[in-house]
Amino acid sequence: GQQVMQIPQYQHVQEGEDFTTYCNSSTTLSNIQWYKQRPGGHPVFLIQLVKSGEVKKQKRLTFQFGEAKKNSSLHITATQTTDVGTYFCAGPGDDMRFGAGTRLTVKP
Amino acid sequence: GAGVSQTPSNKVTEKGKYVELRCDPISGHTALYWYRQSLGQGPEFLIYFQGTGAADDSGLPNDRFFAVRPEGSVSTLKIQRTERGDSAVYLCASSRSGSLLNEQFFGPGTRLTVL
Repeated sequence: GQQVMQIPQYQHVQEGEDFTTYCNSSTTLSNIQWYKQRPGGHPVFLIQLVKSGEVKKQKRLTFQFGEAKKNSSLHITATQTTDVGTYFCAGPGDDMRFGAGTRLTVKP
Repeated sequence: GAGVSQTPSNKVTEKGKYVELRCDPISGHTALYWYRQSLGQGPEFLIYFQGTGAADDSGLPNDRFFAVRPEGSVSTLKIQRTERGDSAVYLCASSRSGSLLNEQFFGPGTRLTVL
């Protein structure tokens, strides 16, 4: 079955440093979604990528979808303490598969 | 407007008991999803409804788990003969349609603890 893997599992950065999380699927995805979950909260939708090689930006966040539509990345420039949380990628296939997430902590 | 709501927010039960978890999706959303999330893990897909019918129930771990959505709105996840391993946060999400190309709006979850 479809597997969605994310690395790293944890990332601790100093405020102002950049952060990147990577997502890899064992199968080609029709699209990929990214969610953020704050500690104690529920996942909140960030963005959806559909096209091969697509790049989307939201302020300091840059999302990429690989050419083969099997991998994706989220890059945050100049992290802030408000970026703290766990970032999940999710790929629909036969069912909706979430990665295990990358937990980001930011030291002020 | 109102988001997805789930009740109860917390449920503590004993091993072997039956529990029901309720989800009220956003009004007008035709697709509804149930997930289970354990500590430090991503949401694990359980079942997906498009309208009243279960379009995909491949994530239900075994026949102790069952979910219904009789009128295409509110859904109930039912767990029979609960086991300690069922302890987790159960998340419900809804989206405008069931194409899986729409963002999912998650509820706050129900934290289930089986003693």
